[in-house]
Amino acid sequence: GDSVTQMEGPVTLSEEAFLTINCTYTATGYPSLFWYVQYPGEGLQLLLKATKADDKGSNKGFEATYRKETTSFHLEKGSVQVSDSAVYFCALWKTSYDKVIFGPGTSLSVIP
Amino acid sequence: DTAVSQTPKYLVTQMGNDKSIKCEQNLGHDTMYWYKQDSKKFLKIMFSYNNKELIINETVPNRFSPKSPDKAHLNLHINSLELGDSAVYFCASSQDLDRAYEQYFGPGTRLTVT
Repeated sequence: GDSVTQMEGPVTLSEEAFLTINCTYTATGYPSLFWYVQYPGEGLQLLLKATKADDKGSNKGFEATYRKETTSFHLEKGSVQVSDSAVYFCALWKTSYDKVIFGPGTSLSVIP
Repeated sequence: DTAVSQTPKYLVTQMGNDKSIKCEQNLGHDTMYWYKQDSKKFLKIMFSYNNKELIINETVPNRFSPKSPDKAHLNLHINSLELGDSAVYFCASSQDLDRAYEQYFGPGTRLTVT
């Protein structure tokens, strides 16, 4: 079945460092891809999305490009802040009656 | 105004008890979900409802029973609680099935079974 794999955490970075969180997927058909973020003590919220190959999703300084050839959707940010400390979930979805398939999550801690 | 609210926020109970978690959304959405998040943050979907109709019913024990009295509410009742039920339970909603990818999550209910 369809699945999402992410790099294992926790990831610890210093403030202003460059962030990459790797995500790869396995799916039949043409999924849309997403990143969700979960701040401490809160529910998840949609961060960005890409609906087809070569689309780039971006929000709050985060970016991810849908790469069909490598079945990847890596999350990047040029300069992280302490407030970016959270758990990041890569996800895929196909059609109306399908569930959203979440990856296992990657915990990020940014230290001053 | 809280978009998706859950009560209670914390629930501590003993094995064998029955408990309920309530969820309400004021976004006017048609579709609602229940998820279970374990201690490693792994998120598992349990149920989804669209306009009060059950859409997704994952392989969860039948001790878990969702109830949707109207499309703004989706409650979760759990019978005969077990230690393994300890987790954070999230309710979520989306505008409809066509936008199921854009879900709005509640703050979670931390269930501890002793």
